[in-house]
Amino acid sequence: ETGVTQSPTHLIKTRGQQVTLRCSSQSGHNTVSWYQQALGQGPQFIFQYYREEENGRGNFPPRFSGLQFPNYSSELNVNALELDDSALYLCASSLPEIEAFFGQGTRLTVV
Amino acid sequence: GENVEQHPSTLSVQEGDSAVIKCTYSDSASNYFPWYKQELGKRPQLIIDIRSNVGEKKDQRIAVTLNKTAKHFSLHITETQPEDSAVYFCAASEDYQLIWGAGTKLIIKP
Repeated sequence: ETGVTQSPTHLIKTRGQQVTLRCSSQSGHNTVSWYQQALGQGPQFIFQYYREEENGRGNFPPRFSGLQFPNYSSELNVNALELDDSALYLCASSLPEIEAFFGQGTRLTVV
Repeated sequence: GENVEQHPSTLSVQEGDSAVIKCTYSDSASNYFPWYKQELGKRPQLIIDIRSNVGEKKDQRIAVTLNKTAKHFSLHITETQPEDSAVYFCAASEDYQLIWGAGTKLIIKP
């Protein structure tokens, strides 16, 4: 186990709804990154948070937003869900210059 | 921005033989190159990584080589075993914002 936990593990939402995914980082890790992994593809970088500030963003629209809390846990929010948002969402926590550890992911299905 | 290409998409090798997976990257500023193994339905797990100041790194049956000039790096698995069957991803990063290859499905034939 990596010490990184995500909730919920599975989620079904309707197109147009909003969703919040949560990530509890490994103790002491101040950096959290979020990835979207569509079926059969590699993870795509969404954004990274370092000490509560966004520290880099991939090619995702503004309806993907995030937050990092003082305890370094993090949330990923997605508004106006689309069918193509169906994927495994992974968060990874790390310290600068140290490898990233992944949570088990949240499987989001948009119907 | 960074772009990572990975080949082959599927690799089938006889048990006991070696497997090689190759990746190229575009951003010369990238300085960290991890390899992850992902089994079906599970999270990616780091198996080996290399930094840009090193040309080769080995850990038992697994090795990674890096050619900074050519901007490519490779994963080598020797004496493959059934439990090596999985999808392998390479990634490149300048600041731990990992940019991933598309993955290689490694199949170990008995």
